Amino acid sequence: AQSVAQPEDQVNVAEGNPLTVKCTYSVSGNPYLFWYVQYPNRGLQFLLKYITGDNLVKGSYGFEAEFNKSQTSFHLKKPSALVSDSALYFCAVREWGSQGNLIFGKGTKLSVKP
Amino acid sequence: ETGVTQTPRHLVMGMTNKKSLKCEQHLGHNAMYWYKQSAKKPLELMFVYNFKEQTENNSVPSRFSPECPNSSHLFLHLHTLQPEDSALYLCASSLYNEQFFGPGTRLTVL
Repeated sequence: AQSVAQPEDQVNVAEGNPLTVKCTYSVSGNPYLFWYVQYPNRGLQFLLKYITGDNLVKGSYGFEAEFNKSQTSFHLKKPSALVSDSALYFCAVREWGSQGNLIFGKGTKLSVKP
Repeated sequence: ETGVTQTPRHLVMGMTNKKSLKCEQHLGHNAMYWYKQSAKKPLELMFVYNFKEQTENNSVPSRFSPECPNSSHLFLHLHTLQPEDSALYLCASSLYNEQFFGPGTRLTVL
């Protein structure tokens, strides 16, 4: 069965420092991987996706994620965090070629302090 | 804005009321979804429609009744809800891969 894990409930980072939000996945085939961000009282906003190709994917707002097949990971990164990046981040997975739906992780709350 | 709208944004209802949530997208997407988001719980997929046909119902209680009259509109009809149904209800749509979410309806059941 497909699953995705976000091992950290919360990540705290100082503004200007690099940030990483972790995600690992489990699928039987090749994965489609996604990151979403949710600001308070808002819906989820799509940040980036990995389907195939280059393992380093660049997305919105300066975020990027690195697909690592051997470690079954898809960590979200940003070189320099902003206070406005504080939000809830969700990783999601879908099995390649399937009609399947997205399976979401439980979310990681990112807090960036000035 | 993602192009997916939801109304109302906030709803308070009693356990005996009947209400409906509405979702609309004009992105040309062919799939639409209802999710439930409760505090401290993972996002729960409730229903999926592809080309107006329901393709998934994740063991959702019958007090939640979806309707998809066309590819652009999705409704969630609510009746005799329980307080534990209070949550943020999110609608999403997709064409190929990524899903685009509406802002959600914050539902409170008294």
